[in-house]
Amino acid sequence: NAGVTQTPKFQVLKTGQSMTLQCAQDMNHNSMYWYRQDPGMGLRLIYYSASEGTTDKGEVPNGYNVSRLNKREFSLRLESAAPSQTSVYFCASSDHEAQPQHFGDGTRLSIL
Amino acid sequence: GIQVEQSPPDLILQEGANSTLRCNFSDSVNNLQWFHQNPWGQLINLFYIPSGTKQNGRLSATTVATERYRLLYISSSQTTDSGVYFCAATSGGYNKLIFGAGTRLAVHP
Repeated sequence: NAGVTQTPKFQVLKTGQSMTLQCAQDMNHNSMYWYRQDPGMGLRLIYYSASEGTTDKGEVPNGYNVSRLNKREFSLRLESAAPSQTSVYFCASSDHEAQPQHFGDGTRLSIL
Repeated sequence: GIQVEQSPPDLILQEGANSTLRCNFSDSVNNLQWFHQNPWGQLINLFYIPSGTKQNGRLSATTVATERYRLLYISSSQTTDSGVYFCAATSGGYNKLIFGAGTRLAVHP
């Protein structure tokens, strides 16, 4: 099993460009999450999807949108990238909310 | 929401030493997860521990029901234990994980 797969692994954008980060899990999990990790900090929740067909805001949702395409896939979109969104983005999944979360390898995003 | 503080922020050990990492909370928590982020940035779930004590090889995690802290013990540390250890917890009716800032561990041979 691949677990949680994120694409791309690295990306450089110019300010104002748009981009979609992809995430897929093969563990048949119901809940999926997007986090960002900034230097010296823990992870902060951007958006989550408790189950297929639902999405909700986390701690830091501004500037992002998400789509739960199906049970397996949960994408994160930056409509107009800003330098403050330079970060490492992690996708995670769990069987249900508050259950053990399993993470992808991350996407390192730089915005110039 | 709850505040999660981890201590110490940095820890340097010689191979073979034991260590205790602590996770403090501003309020009572429902469950706790410990993660290890290796030097390549991958996050591995070490423990999901709503209550009690769990052990996985040289690592063990404990809860103390009446206290607002949790502990992670690493015994006979190895260089492969290096990285950042994060605790994350849910509290009350909010089922999303709140992360601490991490403890950065370096184990030298």
